[in-house]
Amino acid sequence: ETGVTQSPTHLIKTRGQQVTLRCSSQSGHNTVSWYQQALGQGPQFIFQYYREEENGRGNFPPRFSGLQFPNYSSELNVNALELDDSALYLCASRDFITDTQYFGPGTRLTVL
Amino acid sequence: SQQGEEDPQALSIQEGENATMNCSYKTSINNLQWYRQNSGRGLVHLILIRSNEREKHSGRLRVTLDTSKKSSSLLITASRAADTASYFCATANQGGKLIFGQGTELSVKP
Repeated sequence: ETGVTQSPTHLIKTRGQQVTLRCSSQSGHNTVSWYQQALGQGPQFIFQYYREEENGRGNFPPRFSGLQFPNYSSELNVNALELDDSALYLCASRDFITDTQYFGPGTRLTVL
Repeated sequence: SQQGEEDPQALSIQEGENATMNCSYKTSINNLQWYRQNSGRGLVHLILIRSNEREKHSGRLRVTLDTSKKSSSLLITASRAADTASYFCATANQGGKLIFGQGTELSVKP
């Protein structure tokens, strides 16, 4: 148990729709990152939030956006869903003392 | 894009044997972390090694890091069927962004 939770567990959407995924970070961790993992691949960095500000972004289009709240929980929003957005979405919270990042169980998104 | 490569892509061994996985990367790093993933679930953190460290142990795990060769290895000793999973290495820069390899799929047969 990492203390990082994500919801929902699974989600099915159709092309063109919008989706919001949620993450609660481990207590005391003020940095959260989001990753996309396509089937058979390693996770790819989407972006990172630190104290409610985005402070790092991977090679993802602007239709991928996020928020971090004062309690350090976070949302990932994806607009205009495409078939290739089907993946496991993982969030991770960072322990600044040890540099370790702890991952949640993920949200499996299927776009039809 | 992925940081580097993991080798082998798949590994099948008998219970009790040792398993070694290798990871190469391209850029300078702050630390390197190894993770385990069972059947498309979340990633479980195994061990972190900093760029100024050469070797680290945790239970049955031994990790080495060679920054001159930009490579790391993970050794699992006396493997068990429960070790069957995908293993990923991830390099971290100072900002904390993790860059993952493609992973090694380990199968431990009882």
